[in-house]
Amino acid sequence: DAGVIQSPRHEVTEMGQEVTLRCKPISGHDYLFWYRQTMMRGLELLIYFNNNVPIDDSGMPEDRFSAKMPNASFSTLKIQPSEPRDSAVYFCASSFGTGRPQHFGDGTRLSIL
Amino acid sequence: LAKTTQPISMDSYEGQEVNITCSHNNIATNDYITWYQQFPSQGPRFIIQGYKTKVTNEVASLFIPADRKSSTLSLPRVSLSDTAVYYCLVLPPEGRKLIWGLGTSLAVNP
Repeated sequence: DAGVIQSPRHEVTEMGQEVTLRCKPISGHDYLFWYRQTMMRGLELLIYFNNNVPIDDSGMPEDRFSAKMPNASFSTLKIQPSEPRDSAVYFCASSFGTGRPQHFGDGTRLSIL
Repeated sequence: LAKTTQPISMDSYEGQEVNITCSHNNIATNDYITWYQQFPSQGPRFIIQGYKTKVTNEVASLFIPADRKSSTLSLPRVSLSDTAVYYCLVLPPEGRKLIWGLGTSLAVNP
């Protein structure tokens, strides 16, 4: 069975540009999470969805960040406009039900110049 | 949300058993204890989860004392490929928000 799929794997862009990260969760999973990882702050939860509905977006750093989940098999995280401090690895994870392990994708390494 | 404390780094040698201890003093009654492993350029990978006493799978063992205020991840006979960052987390059954610390960076030497 395929795991969580993220695209692109790497993204390099100039500040001010719009960035869109994509995620396909594992089929049948009803929770989806977006994380950001940096050396200084470790893994930070940005937002999570349950059955395509955003449940907690308190980790989204600013209004420049937005996330959507139009259906059970696809989610996007958008940054507009991007800034150099947004450079990080962004992970998507999914899980089935409560109290179950989260399965992570391999991440998108984002560099904003 | 229960916070966890674990060593920043550990060193070991191939073939040794490695024990990583995590403290979670304010764990709630229904919380689970979960461990993840992360290799460079990859997302964290679930290793093991438990509630009390001992849990064992093909990868590791998890020891949880009666008061549940700490837990120990045991990796038997480590190899170079076990070099990774290991995260201890407390997972409430009804909620999904996990607090990730910086983990324990394990270096296995030849």
